[in-house]
Amino acid sequence: GENVEQHPSTLSVQEGDSAVIKCTYSDSASNYFPWYKQELGKGPQLIIDIRSNVGEKKDQRIAVTLNKTAKHFSLHITETQPEDSAVYFCAADRGNMLTFGGGTRLMVKP
Amino acid sequence: NAGVTQTPKFQVLKTGQSMTLQCAQDMNHEYMSWYRQDPGMGLRLIHYSVGAGITDQGEVPNGYNVSRSTTEDFPLRLLSAAPSQTSVYFCASSYGGARTDYEQYFGPGTRLTVT
Repeated sequence: GENVEQHPSTLSVQEGDSAVIKCTYSDSASNYFPWYKQELGKGPQLIIDIRSNVGEKKDQRIAVTLNKTAKHFSLHITETQPEDSAVYFCAADRGNMLTFGGGTRLMVKP
Repeated sequence: NAGVTQTPKFQVLKTGQSMTLQCAQDMNHEYMSWYRQDPGMGLRLIHYSVGAGITDQGEVPNGYNVSRSTTEDFPLRLLSAAPSQTSVYFCASSYGGARTDYEQYFGPGTRLTVT
């Protein structure tokens, strides 16, 4: 089955700095890679996703890059703000099942 | 729309007890799923359903049963609770039928403790 590894598990940045979270996956058949944000006490919420026919996707301050050859993808958050503090999960999809990474707790210090 | 709702929010069980976690969605989504969330392990898929009457196992199905008699509801049953089932449980739904390359909408979660 699919295995998704996510690093780092915790990340602390100063407000205004950039944050990068990296994930690797094992199944070359995976073709959809979403990122979810989970705020304290809530369920995860989709923030951005990328499909295997695209190398990069951007939405305001967040961007995702995908390297299918190396089987890794990354989330980039620029100009971080305190409200970006949350747990972020990457995931990989093989068609009928999502496999999630272990999560990254991002703390943005004001 | 209420989205995905889960009840109860919190539950404490004794080892060996059984219970049902309720999940409902009002978005007419075909795909529904149950995940458990444990520290450092992300979200792991327990069971999923691609439509009424159809269910299948995920990564960690042992100790759990599901059924899908309607599009809206997808209850998760713990047959004989064990301390290893202490976790936060999330229900999710999406539009994609048998496919999961669509946005998953998560409920607020049920925090379960088994003593």
